[in-house]
Amino acid sequence: EADIYQTPRYLVIGTGKKITLECSQTMGHDKMYWYQQDPGMELHLIHYSYGVNSTEKGDLSSESTVSRIRTEHFPLTLESARPSHTSQYLCASSGFGNTEAFFGQGTRLTVV
Amino acid sequence: GQQVMQIPQYQHVQEGEDFTTYCNSSTTLSNIQWYKQRPGGHPVFLIQLVKSGEVKKQKRLTFQFGEAKKNSSLHITATQTTDVGTYFCAPRDDKIIFGKGTRLHILP
Repeated sequence: EADIYQTPRYLVIGTGKKITLECSQTMGHDKMYWYQQDPGMELHLIHYSYGVNSTEKGDLSSESTVSRIRTEHFPLTLESARPSHTSQYLCASSGFGNTEAFFGQGTRLTVV
Repeated sequence: GQQVMQIPQYQHVQEGEDFTTYCNSSTTLSNIQWYKQRPGGHPVFLIQLVKSGEVKKQKRLTFQFGEAKKNSSLHITATQTTDVGTYFCAPRDDKIIFGKGTRLHILP
């Protein structure tokens, strides 16, 4: 069973609010990822990290930002939420080398 | 990261029929991973293929990696309702860029 957790699972928030989506893993994985996925659609990589103090933007441009101060923690922040940010956000991690990725349960974000 | 194309985008099959999804790249891949995402769920790793011409089986699922390492396929024999979901392939790189997926629907 994968030990990667995302909170909250569901979030409904008003336009203009600042939000932080939490992602934590207890597997000691160096690599962590954030994906954005609309229902029934493809997975878009928006951020990834190779380790502490390493963050890179993914293939899909996103207004969100991330930080990696601790190995186990990879939060994603939206400074000012907009309805266009409504989506599911999935966090994943993987260990050394090109090994399998483990996904969290996801956060379903609705901005009203 | 390397990009792949998956076909078909959607597939409806009668329960008990076979199903195949294909993953194609214009460049040679070092490896390929397959994931399954159930409706409302998150992607779950199925398998990784590394060697040219590799074939791996998991019960009713058969995974193949082409000789040129530019394509891969997932074949499900005698589909069951539990097979419903989206199947994604992804070349395993430092970044994991997924194909668009094949959505499998099973008709009872």
